[in-house]
Amino acid sequence: DAGVIQSPRHEVTEMGQEVTLRCKPISGHDYLFWYRQTMMRGLELLIYFNNNVPIDDSGMPEDRFSAKMPNASFSTLKIQPSEPRDSAVYFCATAGQRFNEQFFGPGTRLTVL
Amino acid sequence: AQSVTQLGSHVSVSEGALVLLRCNYSSSVPPYLFWYVQYPNQGLQLLLKYTSAATLVKGINGFEAEFKKSETSFHLTKPSAHMSDAAEYFCAVMEGGSQGNLIFGKGTKLSVKP
Repeated sequence: DAGVIQSPRHEVTEMGQEVTLRCKPISGHDYLFWYRQTMMRGLELLIYFNNNVPIDDSGMPEDRFSAKMPNASFSTLKIQPSEPRDSAVYFCATAGQRFNEQFFGPGTRLTVL
Repeated sequence: AQSVTQLGSHVSVSEGALVLLRCNYSSSVPPYLFWYVQYPNQGLQLLLKYTSAATLVKGINGFEAEFKKSETSFHLTKPSAHMSDAAEYFCAVMEGGSQGNLIFGKGTKLSVKP
């Protein structure tokens, strides 16, 4: 397995634009997590899914952020409209049904100008 | 609610010296505990985990950690640092194996001097 795949790896956009981050989980993993990492706030859980269903989105900062998991092999995190304070590295991680470690993707470095 | 405190945001050691990265946690139920490592421009990678079996846990790259309930600690150690160990290390706690409740510490950046 290629591991968790995220795209794009880098994204530079202007304030007000829509940004879509993508994640392909490891095959067979039932949990998918979206994290945001910044120098100021460290690693924060934004939302997670179990069997494609959003379980907890309390970490999503505001309504500009939305996440979907239309099937077991794909998830998106969308920011609309983007703001400079959204600049961060966004990680997707996945885990199996039985307790197991979370496997992280390489991250998407987002810069909003 | 559980929480994690990592003492020292930066630790510097000489090559060949002991590595000790400190982690203290709080949890209302028996926790699962983890150490992850992050190399520059990469995602996090699991070093080791404690899930209520042996209290001394051995991980990859020669690292180990000991769960001490009385001290609510899970410090990470390595007897002899290597240059390739330079990275950021994150301690994390999960209550009762609940996948959605993994809380990370702020991280400790380890530098290794030649």
